[in-house]
Amino acid sequence: EAQVTQNPRYLITVTGKKLTVTCSQNMNHEYMSWYRQDPGLGLRQIYYSMNVEVTDKGDVPEGYKVSRKEKRNFPLILESPSPNQTSLYFCASSFLGGQGYTFGSGTRLTVV
Amino acid sequence: DQQVKQNSPSLSVQEGRISILNCDYTNSMFDYFLWYKKYPAEGPTFLISISSIKDKNEDGRFTVFLNKSAKHLSLHIVPSQPGDSAVYFCAASALGGTSYGKLTFGQGTILTVHP
Repeated sequence: EAQVTQNPRYLITVTGKKLTVTCSQNMNHEYMSWYRQDPGLGLRQIYYSMNVEVTDKGDVPEGYKVSRKEKRNFPLILESPSPNQTSLYFCASSFLGGQGYTFGSGTRLTVV
Repeated sequence: DQQVKQNSPSLSVQEGRISILNCDYTNSMFDYFLWYKKYPAEGPTFLISISSIKDKNEDGRFTVFLNKSAKHLSLHIVPSQPGDSAVYFCAASALGGTSYGKLTFGQGTILTVHP
């Protein structure tokens, strides 16, 4: 089944403790991206990647890192999480980039 | 700076009637537009899209209209069904630009279709 898989689904952590949210796709897509969803703000793009070792900032990259060492994986790294990064995060992949992404099921992150 | 705006947070419609969801954008570089639907506890799923070279695109009960001069697009659902109840996101991209992977979303509109 073609899908985007992100883990974990739920995560509660403390301020300053580094964490990684993993994302994997099995569709051989070139593009991958991370979004966060917040009430009243919709979905905001954090980072996106056009191919292996090629990444670019989205609209809200501050406090996040990404890497694309393999085509199928695109982990999101929070080096020092803060409470304002409490959010619902979605990983997505696409064959055609801005022509539409396929989304994972989401990771709900709480930073206390 | 919200480049894609959905000014109606919610919309309530009777089953069988038309649902019209609206979206405005400010970036004149946007040339491709999409609508996504999102159910609780799931990721957004693609619904329908339109290129800026068109002003209308239909797919079954769903039609998207684009008015480039007004920088406005709308999604029509006819007839509306209770299963259409979800959050609808409008999104836009500039395929002709250098940020090909960038897709900008609006705030979303919660559609409720009453039986």
